[in-house]
Amino acid sequence: GNSVTQMEGPVTLSEEAFLTINCTYTATGYPSLFWYVQYPGEGLQLLLKATKADDKGSNKGFEATYRKETTSFHLEKGSVQVSDSAVYFCAPYYNTDKLIFGTGTRLQVFP
Amino acid sequence: DAGVIQSPRHEVTEMGQEVTLRCKPISGHNSLFWYRQTMMRGLELLIYFNNNVPIDDSGMPEDRFSAKMPNASFSTLKIQPSEPRDSAVYFCASSPQDRGGGYTFGSGTRLTVV
Repeated sequence: GNSVTQMEGPVTLSEEAFLTINCTYTATGYPSLFWYVQYPGEGLQLLLKATKADDKGSNKGFEATYRKETTSFHLEKGSVQVSDSAVYFCAPYYNTDKLIFGTGTRLQVFP
Repeated sequence: DAGVIQSPRHEVTEMGQEVTLRCKPISGHNSLFWYRQTMMRGLELLIYFNNNVPIDDSGMPEDRFSAKMPNASFSTLKIQPSEPRDSAVYFCASSPQDRGGGYTFGSGTRLTVV
């Protein structure tokens, strides 16, 4: 079945460091791809999305590019802040009325 | 819009008691989802509705769990009887039917069964 794989956390970085969180998905059809973020004590929030190959989603300094050839949607940010500390979820949508969420990657940013 | 509203925010109950979690989706959203989040299993989809009709309840762990959506603005998730292993954060999310993955989540209900 359809699935998604994220890198395990926690990812621990110093403020202003470069961030990459890897995500790969099952290459069944052409899913839309999403990143959601969960801050402590809150529900998930949509961070960014891309709906077709080579599209780049971006928001709040975060970016991710839909790479069909490698079935990947890696999340990047050039300079992280302490306020970016959260859990990040990669989620493909395969036109089945529901998202498939990854296991989540916890990011901890220290000053 | 106030977003997806869940109640209560926290619930502590004794094993064997009935627990009812409530969700008010965003007005106009046709799809509603119930998720459970634990450290061990991560985020699990329990059930989802389209236009108030249950579409997929394969994630409901067992018969002790039931969910209803009597109208477009209200849904409940009931656990009867509750057990300690049901302790988790339960999230409700809603989406317009044509949104293709863009969900809005509520703040969750943290359930503790002692």
